[in-house]
Amino acid sequence: DADVTQTPRNRITKTGKRIMLECSQTKGHDRMYWYRQDPGLGLRLIYYSFDVKDINKGEISDGYSVSRQAQAKFSLSLESAIPNQTALYFCATSDERGSYNEQFFGPGTRLTVL
Amino acid sequence: RKEVEQDPGPFNVPEGATVAFNCTYSNSASQSFFWYRQDCRKEPKLLMSVYSSGNEDGRFTAQLNRASQYISLLIRDSKLSDSATYLCVVSGGTGGFKTIFGAGTRLFVKA
Repeated sequence: DADVTQTPRNRITKTGKRIMLECSQTKGHDRMYWYRQDPGLGLRLIYYSFDVKDINKGEISDGYSVSRQAQAKFSLSLESAIPNQTALYFCATSDERGSYNEQFFGPGTRLTVL
Repeated sequence: RKEVEQDPGPFNVPEGATVAFNCTYSNSASQSFFWYRQDCRKEPKLLMSVYSSGNEDGRFTAQLNRASQYISLLIRDSKLSDSATYLCVVSGGTGGFKTIFGAGTRLFVKA
């Protein structure tokens, strides 16, 4: 079984709809991240969480919110989806040692906002 | 100027060729450097860390030049299975948690 899972894997929605993307991990890592990937722009950090009580905005948090329900779960919400939020979304985890640790990514969620 | 810049490619090379990618970064306080590999429509996975002294893992060699603020990845004896996008990752520095992914360099290895 995959260590980092994301649901759904694909989603098509309409402008104005509320969307939640979920991420679960079995790696026992404290740190979790949400990224979006757009062609030519690379991965951009939306939000990150270093433990259950710690939530931080990333580079592009506007229009998004997150919830860290447990160490193993980190969900991303789009309260009112807009077309420019069409992208590939990745959840990632890492452990807490050092200033940077290898990040383990989920398989991604492809979101299309019409 | 982007904080981490890579040539997007694509690099088209025959099997057995040697190919090199560079990545430049703007934050001189950056502390950690990595190469990730991403296959089409898949998640990124760590390929190798990049150390100041340079490091080698089989056919792959990574080097860091702090003075010129770039890192490089050399792939020798390219295989068809090396076809992927290679992401440069730079982390650390001032201002709290900061990890920046480059947009990636696409490599196609042809038979």
